[in-house]
Amino acid sequence: GNSVTQMEGPVTLSEEAFLTINCTYTATGYPSLFWYVQYPGEGLQLLLKATKADDKGSNKGFEATYRKETTSFHLEKGSVQVSDSAVYFCALSRPRGGSEKLVFGKGTKLTVNP
Amino acid sequence: GAVVSQHPSWVICKSGTSVKIECRSLDFQATTMFWYRQFPKQSLMLMATSNEGSKATYEQGVEKDKFLINHASLTLSTLTVTSAHPEDSSFYICSAGQDFNEQFFGPGTRLTVL
Repeated sequence: GNSVTQMEGPVTLSEEAFLTINCTYTATGYPSLFWYVQYPGEGLQLLLKATKADDKGSNKGFEATYRKETTSFHLEKGSVQVSDSAVYFCALSRPRGGSEKLVFGKGTKLTVNP
Repeated sequence: GAVVSQHPSWVICKSGTSVKIECRSLDFQATTMFWYRQFPKQSLMLMATSNEGSKATYEQGVEKDKFLINHASLTLSTLTVTSAHPEDSSFYICSAGQDFNEQFFGPGTRLTVL
């Protein structure tokens, strides 16, 4: 079955540090890939997505590239801010998108210190 | 952007009572809604998938008689936790989607059963 594996946290960084959160997946066919962010006490917000191989999703300085050859979708940001402190979830769905259930990784908690 | 609301945002109830949580898509029609449960410091666990006008599809291990899901219209789904017990205390999150589009998440409902 489909599954997502992401690096276990927590991750603690200083402000302006470089961030990488690894995510790999197992799926048949060509799933859509997502990164969601959850701020304390809130629901999930879509951070970025990619729907086909070599697509790069980007938003708010975060980037992730859909790598089919390595089945990966690593999240990166060049310079993190305190406001980026949150839990980040990697997820996949089958290509129909909205009507297909999402399979989530376990989440990675990021804390950014001033 | 698309907005999904949940009501209530938090609820405290006594053991043995039933609690209803509403999930509404405010500015689009959702063909499918999903209900998730999130334990502290853990990932989201999909409980069930509901399509408007049909019975919900429950994930393995989720008691359908305990977690009643009704998808009455294209903008409203409800989750009723029947005869709630302390172990049902959790953060419940819904999402709504359309074919080929992304899912949009509600802000979540914190349930505490005393």
